Parts: sequence; C-alpha cells; structure tokens
Amino acid sequence: DVKVTQSSRYLVKRTGEKVFLECVQDMDHENMFWYRQDPGLGLRLIYFSYDVKMKEKGDIPEGYSVSREKKERFSLILESASTNQTSMYLCASSLGSGANEQFFGPGTRLTVL
Amino acid sequence: GQSLEQPSEVTAVEGAIVQINCTYQTSGFYGLSWYQQHDGGAPTFLSYNALDGLEETGRFSSFLSRSDSYGYLLLQELQMKDSASYFCAVVSGNTGKLIFGQGTTLQVKP
Repeated sequence: DVKVTQSSRYLVKRTGEKVFLECVQDMDHENMFWYRQDPGLGLRLIYFSYDVKMKEKGDIPEGYSVSREKKERFSLILESASTNQTSMYLCASSLGSGANEQFFGPGTRLTVL
Repeated sequence: GQSLEQPSEVTAVEGAIVQINCTYQTSGFYGLSWYQQHDGGAPTFLSYNALDGLEETGRFSSFLSRSDSYGYLLLQELQMKDSASYFCAVVSGNTGKLIFGQGTTLQVKP
C-alpha cells in the first residue's frame, strides 16, 4: 500500500514565523502535491511537482514556496506565516504522467496566532 | 475560469440510493474523479471517468457526460459508514493535477 506521511498532525505557529511542512511518500511516485482545505472551499492546489527539483504553481501559490530535493520528499514552506494561512494542509502523491489516482497523507492542521 | 459545482449537503436513509451531481467548467479536461473523505480523515480515491458512460465499482457508480460537462456519483444500498464528504475533481493536464469541487456532505440516517 502507498503510504504518504506528513511531519506533524497539528502545528501552532506565530505570525511572521517561517514554517516547514514535510511530506514523504514511499512508493516511488513521480508527482507530489500540496493542498489546503478550508470549510466550504474544498481542496485548493498550492503547488505541485512532477519530478525532482521541478515545481509548478497551483491555484493559490501566494505566500508559499516548495522544495523537492529528493523524489520521496516534498516540502511546503510558509516564508512568513500569517493568520489567513491557518488551515488544514494535505499532501498527495500519484504515480506519474497520466496517473489519475492521488494518495493523500493524513494532513497537518496549522494554526497561526 | 475553472469551476465545479456540487450540492453542499445531501441526506438519505440507510438502504436507499443517492446521486451526487457535479457540473464543471474547466480547460484541459482529462477526466472526472471522485474522492471520499470521512471527518478527520484523508481523502481517498473512489473512481475516475475519462470517457462518457457509467463506471461501476461495487455499490458505487460514477457517470460522465463530456458534452454536458456533467457527472455524478451514485451510491446504492447506503450504509451508515457512507456518511462522509464527497468531492468531484477534474483531472486537468497529463500531470494528474486535480481541481476539486467544494464537496458534498452526505448524511445517512437510520
């Protein structure tokens, strides 16, 4: 079974802090994704990566950056956390080009005070 | 722009059949997926339609009409454990990028 793990289940940070959210998948998947989920808004794509060191902006990249130095690991970075970034963050991976199934991690609930 | 519309809430009784509709307006359409998410859990993949027609997987079926930009998820013989949120998502581009709808909360009552 594919396993996608995220570094923290819950995280509390202060406004202005730099925040790192880590995601690791163990099935040699090419594609990795970061979403945020807010009530009534569904899941919105922040960034995705289809290869090591490759990244593409999703629908809401502002205030975020990503890093993919190794195939199995995809990091989301909040350069200077703000209260409107309080949300549930979900990481996902999929096999590669043409893959239609994404496997999600358990999520990190981030609160920015 | 890109948008998906689905009902926000649906209620049904155990043993019944329920249909959750999804209409979409997107570019680069490859197919329509459905995901289930229980409270506090991660979304899990249910189905994918790339071509018009009905795909059946056990109690769940999914339908797509590309000409109408419309799809639905059909859940039969509802069980209490089916109470969850259901998201339709357009697969956009060959990287498998997903654009999600806002989700439909299904409540199954005894």
